[in-house]
Amino acid sequence: EVKLVQSGAEVKKPGEPLKISCKGSGYSFTNYWIGWVRQMPGKGLEWMGIIYPGDSDTRYSPSFQGQVTISADKSISTAYLQWSSLKASDTAMYYCARPESGYYYGMDVWGQGTTVTVSS
Amino acid sequence: EIVLTQSPGTLSLSPGERATLSCRASQSVSSSYLAWYQQKPGQAPRLLIYGASSRATGIPDRFGGSGSGTDFTLTISRLEPEDFAVFYCQLYDSSHKWTFGQGTKVEIK
Repeated sequence: EVKLVQSGAEVKKPGEPLKISCKGSGYSFTNYWIGWVRQMPGKGLEWMGIIYPGDSDTRYSPSFQGQVTISADKSISTAYLQWSSLKASDTAMYYCARPESGYYYGMDVWGQGTTVTVSS
Repeated sequence: EIVLTQSPGTLSLSPGERATLSCRASQSVSSSYLAWYQQKPGQAPRLLIYGASSRATGIPDRFGGSGSGTDFTLTISRLEPEDFAVFYCQLYDSSHKWTFGQGTKVEIK
């Protein structure tokens, strides 16, 4: 079974760093892009960026460029989303998702989501 | 940057009725890369439609997609109780970037 399993909920203070993870299993991790999607409380989906673990090619939405860093460790089939200094406005649910070329890059596999709460 | 605008914001319908959701792109796009997702409360989104009109694996045939150019439509032929949710359109471009519409909520009338 193809799965993406994300790390658990986080509660942080403004200014703190954070790195959340997304572990893939059941498929060749290095051969598929992995993307990150933000959903702020009560709001819609926002595409943040994506990485190809095979060569670490990374693309960012202009809205998130410079605000977050996406990385991957192919040796453990895990992608990461990190912040160097969190803000209250980073409070959201974050999903990782895998686009499938056979679905014309529709995202057919999603992680369960990681809730990030930033509050003083 | 292409913007996807969905309408209406909310659709109030009864089970058994037909739902028609719209997604309009700010410029002409390839229909091959237009997808639709369903999201229920507390759940991750689920891919329904890819390539504007093809159903993903396991998606019931009451869900249908159509359109080209700048105008795309998701149709649910007869709403089942489990279909009430928020629906998003999404566009992929060849530089490996994605864009979502703002969503349409289909609620029980």
